[in-house]
Amino acid sequence: SQTIHQWPATLVQPVGSPLSLECTVEGTSNPNLYWYRQAAGRGLQLLFYSVGIGQISSEVPQNLSASRPQDRQFILSSKKLLLSDSGFYLCAWSVRGAQETQYFGPGTRLLVL
Amino acid sequence: GNSVTQMEGPVTLSEEAFLTINCTYTATGYPSLFWYVQYPGEGLQLLLKATKADDKGSNKGFEATYRKETTSFHLEKGSVQVSDSAVYFCALSDRTGGFKTIFGAGTRLFVKA
Repeated sequence: SQTIHQWPATLVQPVGSPLSLECTVEGTSNPNLYWYRQAAGRGLQLLFYSVGIGQISSEVPQNLSASRPQDRQFILSSKKLLLSDSGFYLCAWSVRGAQETQYFGPGTRLLVL
Repeated sequence: GNSVTQMEGPVTLSEEAFLTINCTYTATGYPSLFWYVQYPGEGLQLLLKATKADDKGSNKGFEATYRKETTSFHLEKGSVQVSDSAVYFCALSDRTGGFKTIFGAGTRLFVKA
């Protein structure tokens, strides 16, 4: 069966510090991968999606970036965090060619102080 | 462009009450429709889906019918339980949108014992 992992589960970082969140998927090959942000009490905002290694599409211009160094690894990064980067970050995957249903990881709660 | 609108919460019900969460959509093509559920502190998980008009998705006592004539996909449950307390997201995925999923803002449900 497929599983998706995210770490860390919780992170508290000072403004201006760097960020690296990791997501890995097991039990499937060539997945589409997604990063979402959920601000407190708000809906989901798609940040990035990837259809293959090294292929990243950005939905919202901001100080975040994403990378996909391996087929089942998706990394969200920032060089300098802003207060507004606080939120709940969710990674998700879907089957290539049948992208409709998305499967979400447990999320990372980020608090920027 | 595609969009999803769902009723604002929070919705507070007593145990065994009837639940309806309204969802309407706008899409240029023929989307698939979804309900996802997010329990406290967790990621989203698929609750049910419907892929064409008049289809009914069902799971765990929840139901939703794809109504093309009213562009709606309302979530219903005949008798809610305390364990149903969560945030519910209506979503659509459309081939013309590159299979990206569009999420509603979410509706928080509180069920009192």
